[in-house]
Amino acid sequence: AQRVTQPEKLLSVFKGAPVELKCNYSYSGSPELFWYVQYSRQRLQLLLRHISRESIKGFTADLNKGETSFHLKKPFAQEEDSAMYYCALSVYTDKLIFGTGTRLQVFP
Amino acid sequence: EAGVAQSPRYKIIEKRQSVAFWCNPISGHATLYWYQQILGQGPKLLIQFQNNGVVDDSQLPKDRFSAERLKGVDSTLKIQPAKLEDSAVYLCASSYLIDSEQFFGPGTRLTVL
Repeated sequence: AQRVTQPEKLLSVFKGAPVELKCNYSYSGSPELFWYVQYSRQRLQLLLRHISRESIKGFTADLNKGETSFHLKKPFAQEEDSAMYYCALSVYTDKLIFGTGTRLQVFP
Repeated sequence: EAGVAQSPRYKIIEKRQSVAFWCNPISGHATLYWYQQILGQGPKLLIQFQNNGVVDDSQLPKDRFSAERLKGVDSTLKIQPAKLEDSAVYLCASSYLIDSEQFFGPGTRLTVL
């Protein structure tokens, strides 16, 4: 069965510290992975997708098929990064399977 | 461009009542999705439309939930009758094509008492 696991419900760091939000997936096919972000009182929005291999707002994520992981990283966290982050897996007809989310809190 | 619109934003009903949600996707977007997000969980796809045809409704509880997109534009999701466990945020999303970026609406928060 397809599944996305985000083991941390809450991750708290200080401004300027490195951040790593963990995501592991279970899928027998060729995976397409995404990170979505929801800032306070805003809509859920796409942050990045692995096929684009972009860095968005300083965040990067590398697909590791051997470890079935797609961790989100940023070398220096900013207060405006505080938000809810969801990892998602796309299967079949572009159906998205979301993880339970990790709340990132960046303290000044 | 205008984003995905949803109404109402909030709804409180008693169990066994009926409720309907409305979604207007971004103009020109052929694919429309309804997700259910229960507190503490990620969004779960209920139904996916391509124009006015259903692509995936495998996780839609068809005994009480129904959805339609008659003209291939806006869509309604109905629950009849509602149960306590239906309390959730119902998100609508649209994309230009299958495999394009999904854009989400603000959601409708449903509370079933």
